[in-house]
Amino acid sequence: QVQLVQSGAEVKKSGASVKVSCKASGYTFTSYGISWVRQAPGQGLEWMGWISANNGNTFYGQKFQGRVTMTTDTFRSTAYLELRSLRSDDTAVYYCARSAMADDYWGQGTLVTVSS
Amino acid sequence: DIQMTQSPSTLSASVGDRVTITCRASQSVTRWLAWYQQKPGRAPKLLIYKTSTLESGVPSRFSGSGSGTEFTLTISRLQPDDFATYYCQQYKSHSMPWTFGQGTKVEIK
Repeated sequence: QVQLVQSGAEVKKSGASVKVSCKASGYTFTSYGISWVRQAPGQGLEWMGWISANNGNTFYGQKFQGRVTMTTDTFRSTAYLELRSLRSDDTAVYYCARSAMADDYWGQGTLVTVSS
Repeated sequence: DIQMTQSPSTLSASVGDRVTITCRASQSVTRWLAWYQQKPGRAPKLLIYKTSTLESGVPSRFSGSGSGTEFTLTISRLQPDDFATYYCQQYKSHSMPWTFGQGTKVEIK
């Protein structure tokens, strides 16, 4: 069965970077894209960007341009999200999702807490 | 960017009620519209894609309709398991970012 398993919770200082992983299984990794979505405490869903697992093409939301990098390791069937220059308002649960006809399978979420 | 606006933000309803949530796009997304259900502490779950196609395993009491800029999610007879927050998302190809609506919380009346 399709599964996306994300790395564990992180606590970071303001100005630091975080890298979240998302290991896929149960399907051909390179046949789909991966979207990254975050959710601040008590808030709605915010789309961050998308990466093609086939060729590495990316699209980043304008809000995150210059601070975010999405990559994939096709050998490990794993996608990565790196967010730099962390601020307190980056505190959120970060989700990866398989992008097919919309985002049909989601990881369990990774809580990133940014403290000053 | 395409903006997505859901209404209402909160909806109070009873088990057995028919519930309708509206999602409006700032420009046409043709039929590239999905609906998700999210419960507290859980990842979103895809309910409907391409406006009206039910994801596998989703109960038939959920339905979606619309096109262009106006879309609806209908729950025909609300069940206890349906109390959650619902999000629409446009995912029109070549129209990234694939923006979400702000969410509609369906709560017990």
